[in-house]
Amino acid sequence: LAKTTQPISMDSYEGQEVNITCSHNNIATNDYITWYQQFPSQGPRFIIQGYKTKVTNEVASLFIPADRKSSTLSLPRVSLSDTAVYYCLVGLSGGSYIPTFGRGTSLIVHP
Amino acid sequence: EAGVAQSPRYKIIEKRQSVAFWCNPISGHATLYWYQQILGQGPKLLIQFQNNGVVDDSQLPKDRFSAERLKGVDSTLKIQPAKLEDSAVYLCASSPMLLGLANTGELFFGEGSRLTVL
Repeated sequence: LAKTTQPISMDSYEGQEVNITCSHNNIATNDYITWYQQFPSQGPRFIIQGYKTKVTNEVASLFIPADRKSSTLSLPRVSLSDTAVYYCLVGLSGGSYIPTFGRGTSLIVHP
Repeated sequence: EAGVAQSPRYKIIEKRQSVAFWCNPISGHATLYWYQQILGQGPKLLIQFQNNGVVDDSQLPKDRFSAERLKGVDSTLKIQPAKLEDSAVYLCASSPMLLGLANTGELFFGEGSRLTVL
């Protein structure tokens, strides 16, 4: 199971772009990278998933370098409502997936 | 589409009492998960079901926790007897995943059941 490492916390201001990097040095060949967002008193919510290069949706972008040993979640022009904990998960290879959450990155967006 | 339903939302009990949580996953989702989330920590997987079979329960404290998923749909998680350290939010999630088949790996979570053990 690939272990992930993220910063424990980050601070930003409204309107800025936020990049959260996750390290996963022992990612397996067929593993996907998935990011979740969790607000207080709610369950985590799927944000984005990718395998390589760049993935973009209406919420965020995910950048994955060629070696896939890290990934960066990019949130454009954050607002106060983006204050949450963000989790990076790695897995899905071999047809068996045990979704394992780490401590995540607590993002605080200031006015 | 209805989401994952959990009940109760809140429960306060005294130590050594028992408690049960219920989860109704999204219709058609084969995989169901129970997570324990202690304040300030990430969700910790307790048990994962594939239909009504157990995929992983390596982190379930089996001396006090039990879970079942009858008929591969609803699930219950029980704690007996409860300890102070069981105070946490218990999250249920489901996903349209089948072992060995292509899937998105996207988990859909309920709002959780907050347990306070006094």
